[in-house]
Amino acid sequence: DAGVIQSPRHEVTEMGQEVTLRCKPISGHNSLFWYRQTMMRGLELLIYFNNNVPIDDSGMPEDRFSAKMPNASFSTLKIQPSEPRDSAVYFCASTLGVRSSPLHFGNGTRLTVT
Amino acid sequence: GESVGLHLPTLSVQEGDNSIINCAYSNSASDYFIWYKQESGKGPQFIIDIRSNMDKRQGQRVTVLLNKTVKHLSLQIAATQPGDSAVYFCAEIPFTGTASKLTFGTGTRLQVTL
Repeated sequence: DAGVIQSPRHEVTEMGQEVTLRCKPISGHNSLFWYRQTMMRGLELLIYFNNNVPIDDSGMPEDRFSAKMPNASFSTLKIQPSEPRDSAVYFCASTLGVRSSPLHFGNGTRLTVT
Repeated sequence: GESVGLHLPTLSVQEGDNSIINCAYSNSASDYFIWYKQESGKGPQFIIDIRSNMDKRQGQRVTVLLNKTVKHLSLQIAATQPGDSAVYFCAEIPFTGTASKLTFGTGTRLQVTL
């Protein structure tokens, strides 16, 4: 099991540019989550999908953020246009979707917006 | 990694000693608890979980204790090793919740000294 795979590991971009983060969940997991981690706010849930359908996006900061899951093995988180305050580590996690199944996290994408 | 803030509580333990990391939770409706370990540059990694109908659960070198009366959770690590150095998060899910309702604590940094 390769675990949750995220790419890129690091992204440095200038303010105003579009950023796309990618995630491949663990095969067989039907729930996928995007989190953001910062020093000030810790881990925050942005959005989650169940069976490729977005269920709750109330954590998405604003319209500049969007997420898609075109199939069971791939998801993207896009920020357009990016701003310096978006700088954070973005984690993708997946689970079997049942309550007793813990989240399995990827190693994150460290985003720096200058 | 960018996993933690500068003001995390820190526990310093000598190699070979036992570690006890504590967590207080506030939601009396929480009935499923998880401990995660986050090493520098990596995502949170599942360590052990416990349901509210139990007060103790043991894994390999780790034990989780749950005291529902005072809403307190602890993680005990036996014979602490340098590889245990990381930030440890407790997380909780309410009775009616799913993985999307997972709430993370602020974390405790464990430093293992030689």
